[in-house]
Amino acid sequence: NAGVTQTPKFQVLKTGQSMTLQCAQDMNHNSMYWYRQDPGMGLRLIYYSASEGTTDKGEVPNGYNVSRLNKREFSLRLESAAPSQTSVYFCASREVNYGYTFGSGTRLTVV
Amino acid sequence: QKEVEQNSGPLSVPEGAIASLNCTYSDRVSQSFFWYRQYSGKSPELIMSIYSNGDKEDGRFTAQLNKASQYVSLLIRDSQPSDSATYLCAVVTRGSTLGRLYFGRGTQLTVWP
Repeated sequence: NAGVTQTPKFQVLKTGQSMTLQCAQDMNHNSMYWYRQDPGMGLRLIYYSASEGTTDKGEVPNGYNVSRLNKREFSLRLESAAPSQTSVYFCASREVNYGYTFGSGTRLTVV
Repeated sequence: QKEVEQNSGPLSVPEGAIASLNCTYSDRVSQSFFWYRQYSGKSPELIMSIYSNGDKEDGRFTAQLNKASQYVSLLIRDSQPSDSATYLCAVVTRGSTLGRLYFGRGTQLTVWP
């Protein structure tokens, strides 16, 4: 049982490049989330999804897009990366009445 | 504004001592409360959940909830150097969209030998 799997674990991008962060969960959870974590800022919600085909903006959605491909997969896309998007990105999923299960994270550096 | 505040750190305790981590929340209708541990460079790991007033014990960890005071705490007994990490408090409110968690910024705990 892998839980929540994120890829890649590390990535360096040049300003203006695009990339997609992948996330998949095998726990049959309906809700999935994308967070970024920056020093001193804590965890900030980027986007979330209640179920396949539905997505909503969180606190810091600008510069990002998401796709809930199916119940298992929820991807995060940076269309034109900026240095301000240098961060650690976490995907999470949740079963009702329980806490999140987090993926291992993606460390992204934009130069 | 659904704010979650944690006592400012860092917190440093000697091995074997009790570490006390505190969290307050602003939304009076909050209903589910979680404590996460995050080691440096790792993802948050759920260690405790509590839903009703009182204490909940799991090994060396005790979570305490007081909804009237809007306060939740985590006690770590017999602290070990391996407990050194950042501890995140998280809250779900009754009105949370899609059951999202609101996180505090964390308290860094160091347990020294």
